[in-house]
Amino acid sequence: DADVTQTPRNRITKTGKRIMLECSQTKGHDRMYWYRQDPGLGLRLIYYSFDVKDINKGEISDGYSVSRQAQAKFSLSLESAIPNQTALYFCATSDSNPSTDTQYFGPGTRLTVL
Amino acid sequence: GQQLNQSPQSMFIQEGEDVSMNCTSSSIFNTWLWYKQDPGEGPVLLIALYKAGELTSNGRLTAQFGITRKDSFLNISASIPSDVGIYFCAGNSGGSNYKLTFGKGTLLTVNP
Repeated sequence: DADVTQTPRNRITKTGKRIMLECSQTKGHDRMYWYRQDPGLGLRLIYYSFDVKDINKGEISDGYSVSRQAQAKFSLSLESAIPNQTALYFCATSDSNPSTDTQYFGPGTRLTVL
Repeated sequence: GQQLNQSPQSMFIQEGEDVSMNCTSSSIFNTWLWYKQDPGEGPVLLIALYKAGELTSNGRLTAQFGITRKDSFLNISASIPSDVGIYFCAGNSGGSNYKLTFGKGTLLTVNP
């Protein structure tokens, strides 16, 4: 079984709809992250959480919100989706040891906003 | 903010050739990571580097953490068709900032 899972894997929605992307991990890591990937722009950080009570904005948080429901779960919401939020979204996790802060990625969610 | 310059953007090579790609940073990093992303999948960690000067291998892959702590390279020897994908470097400056900064990726195409 995959250590980091994301649901759904693909989603097509319309402008203005509310969308939630979910991420679960079985690695026992404290830290979780949401990224979006666009062609030619690499991976950009949306939000991150270092533990259940910690939420931090990344470089492109506008239009997004997150919820850390448990150590193993971190969800990303688009309150009112717009077409330029069409992208690949990845969840990632890492442990809290700064000397080995390696991130492990989920398989991604392809979101299309029409 | 921190920036990573990854080059080349893309490479087209013949099977069996060696490949080299690199990343340079405007600031010092404590950790360098190299990931590979296959189409439709998430990035998968290939090699992690934690000390300046460190040279680490993983099969046909070799990566080095530059002495200046501002650069890293990844070499792939004797490329095969399944090496096709996007390779990303990532760096972490440590301290209170544990976030990774990613390069924009190198798209590798291997012709059989």
